[in-house]
Amino acid sequence: DAKTTQPNSMESNEEEPVHLPCNHSTISGTDYIHWYRQLPSQGPEYVIHGLTSNVNNRMASLAIAEDRKSSTLILHRATLRDAAVYYCILRGPRGSNYKLTFGKGTLLTVNP
Amino acid sequence: GAVVSQHPSWVICKSGTSVKIECRSLDFQATTMFWYRQFPKQSLMLMATSNEGSKATYEQGVEKDKFLINHASLTLSTLTVTSAHPEDSSFYICSATRPGQGFNQPQHFGDGTRLSIL
Repeated sequence: DAKTTQPNSMESNEEEPVHLPCNHSTISGTDYIHWYRQLPSQGPEYVIHGLTSNVNNRMASLAIAEDRKSSTLILHRATLRDAAVYYCILRGPRGSNYKLTFGKGTLLTVNP
Repeated sequence: GAVVSQHPSWVICKSGTSVKIECRSLDFQATTMFWYRQFPKQSLMLMATSNEGSKATYEQGVEKDKFLINHASLTLSTLTVTSAHPEDSSFYICSATRPGQGFNQPQHFGDGTRLSIL
């Protein structure tokens, strides 16, 4: 599976925007960029995904670089409930059965 | 609301017993489900892919006789940890994807099962 690189941790203040980066220099043309997050003691939760164009949903925005070798998850106004580990995962035809391979992710701390 | 349900949420049992964990897709039929294990402060590690009506596919290093997977129906997969020992204590998580959807669709996760072996 193509690998992603994320910072181990980031810190933000409540109600401020948060930009979580992800590098994926070996991404293939058919790989989708998925983001999940995991709150303490819970299973992961889908956040957003995209292929080439920037994407917005009720939870976040995903900005994808033009060469697709990096992307940024944007939380427009962080809340305390956004404190979680955020995983950037590539998902595509390589491998089998749609399985997800989790890296270490970024631990986001939100300060009140 | 939740689309994948996992039961039980937590279980404590004595060493040597077997523990069954259930994973249900609530509003769709899942021909494929996945089982992950997560140790404290670590990421999720895929254990196996559960296939309805056929044998599960285990990741390298996962003992198939230790972790029995049964996917007898399109909405239920079970993971049985046989003769559990303290080193099997972990957070077990299942997931599923709606059928017929490709790599551009999300995977839905259960809330996990905290297993503690005394």
